[in-house]
Amino acid sequence: EAEVAQSPRYKITEKSQAVAFWCDPISGHATLYWYRQILGQGPELLVQFQDESVVDDSQLPKDRFSAERLKGVDSTLKIQPAELGDSAMYLCASSLSGQRSSPLHFGNGTRLTVT
Amino acid sequence: GESVGLHLPTLSVQEGDNSIINCAYSNSASDYFIWYKQESGKGPQFIIDIRSNMDKRQGQRVTVLLNKTVKHLSLQIAATQPGDSAVYFCAENRSGGSNYKLTFGKGTLLTVNP
Repeated sequence: EAEVAQSPRYKITEKSQAVAFWCDPISGHATLYWYRQILGQGPELLVQFQDESVVDDSQLPKDRFSAERLKGVDSTLKIQPAELGDSAMYLCASSLSGQRSSPLHFGNGTRLTVT
Repeated sequence: GESVGLHLPTLSVQEGDNSIINCAYSNSASDYFIWYKQESGKGPQFIIDIRSNMDKRQGQRVTVLLNKTVKHLSLQIAATQPGDSAVYFCAENRSGGSNYKLTFGKGTLLTVNP
């Protein structure tokens, strides 16, 4: 079964440094999502793309976070500068169309630790 | 504020028993709900979904029940197996329309004892 690929699997960085995460969705999936999951809580949406366009970034802290999906395929999420409170699991998900009938498929995430 | 929540943070059952995981929601406009399973170190995995025009939906060993009157959702797992041990999240579609934006609850940790 096709999977959403994410890298790196783990990332440790110091406060104020820059960090980037990469996601390759399932082939043919037009909609891509970045979620943040704090330990013990459910995932929270950061940004949603439809092809290369941002559909929803209302919960993205734009002063330090940025996301792009230049060719409408893979995507990068960047944090600069990282803060201690950014320590979390960053999950990427994709779906065929972003419609209700098209469920989200999640990758296994990048575990970020900020020291 | 409005949120999706869970009645119990942990649930422990014996192998072979049936499990029931509950979820309360407060947004009466939510019209689509999904249950996800998340194993340690992995991303959430889709289990089953239900639309608000339904009361019950069945899958393989799983059943989701929706009670719109009391804004309650439950996931029933039949003949629970050790491989069912995981955190289970309910998620709701809040935005309405055809493009959905899922909001997740905090999760219930299910432990299956052999």
